Amino acid sequence: GAVVSQHPSRVICKSGTSVKIECRSLDFQATTMFWYRQFPKQSLMLMATSNEGSKATYEQGVEKDKFLINHASLTLSTLTVTSAHPEDSSFYICSARSGTFRGPDTQYFGPGTRLTVL
Amino acid sequence: AQKITQTQPGMFVQEKEAVTLDCTYDTSDPSYGLFWYKQPSSGEMIFLIYQGSYDQQNATEGRYSLNFQKARKSANLVISASQLGDSAMYFCAMREDFNAGGTSYGKLTFGQGTILTVHP
Repeated sequence: GAVVSQHPSRVICKSGTSVKIECRSLDFQATTMFWYRQFPKQSLMLMATSNEGSKATYEQGVEKDKFLINHASLTLSTLTVTSAHPEDSSFYICSARSGTFRGPDTQYFGPGTRLTVL
Repeated sequence: AQKITQTQPGMFVQEKEAVTLDCTYDTSDPSYGLFWYKQPSSGEMIFLIYQGSYDQQNATEGRYSLNFQKARKSANLVISASQLGDSAMYFCAMREDFNAGGTSYGKLTFGQGTILTVHP
C-alpha cells in the first residue's frame, strides 16, 4: 500500500525555538495533505488542509502564524511550529491523499511526530 | 454539534470473544464515507474498514465487520475472535464528500475513540 513518512519521529526542543516536521508521500503524488494534532488518549484534531501549490486552509482556532504549513511539491508538506511553548507539546500526524477521494483507504497516514517542548 | 460520537471510552473483552464498538454520526451530506482506524501505543493509524454511504451491503474485512444502519446513522465496528494484539485505541471517522470551490478536500472527522483491552 501507499506509504507516508514523517521526519523526525520524535523531537525535544527548548521553549521559544521553531521546529519543522516533514511529511512525505513515498510512492504516490499527494494532491492534498492534512495535519492533525493529538493529545494523549484523545482524538485526532484536524489542524489544516494543504493542497500543493496553494495556501493551507486552517481549521477554526488554529493559529496560522504559529503553525506554518508549506506544501511545496506533490510529495512533500512541512509543518513548522514557530516559537514553540510547552503547551505545543503533542503528537502531530500527517496524512496524504491522491487523486479522487472516494473509496476506501484513500487517505494514508504518516507514523506521527512526538514533539516535546521543555 | 459532534459529527462523530463514540460513547464508549473503554471496552474490555475476553480473548476469542467478539466485541462491538459503537459509532454514531451526523451529516446532511447524502454522500459520505465511514472509516474505522486502529491506533496501537506506537501511534500509527492503521486503516481497518470502510463503508460508503451508498454501499448496499455491510463492509467486512477479515475479522472486522461494520454494522451500518443508515437510518439510525450508526456504523458500529464488530471484531470477531478477539486477539491480544487487538488491544488499542479505535477511532471511527467520517469523510463528507462535499465540494469546496470545485475541489473536494475529503477531510476526515474523528470520534473521541474507544480504548479496547483484550484479556487473556
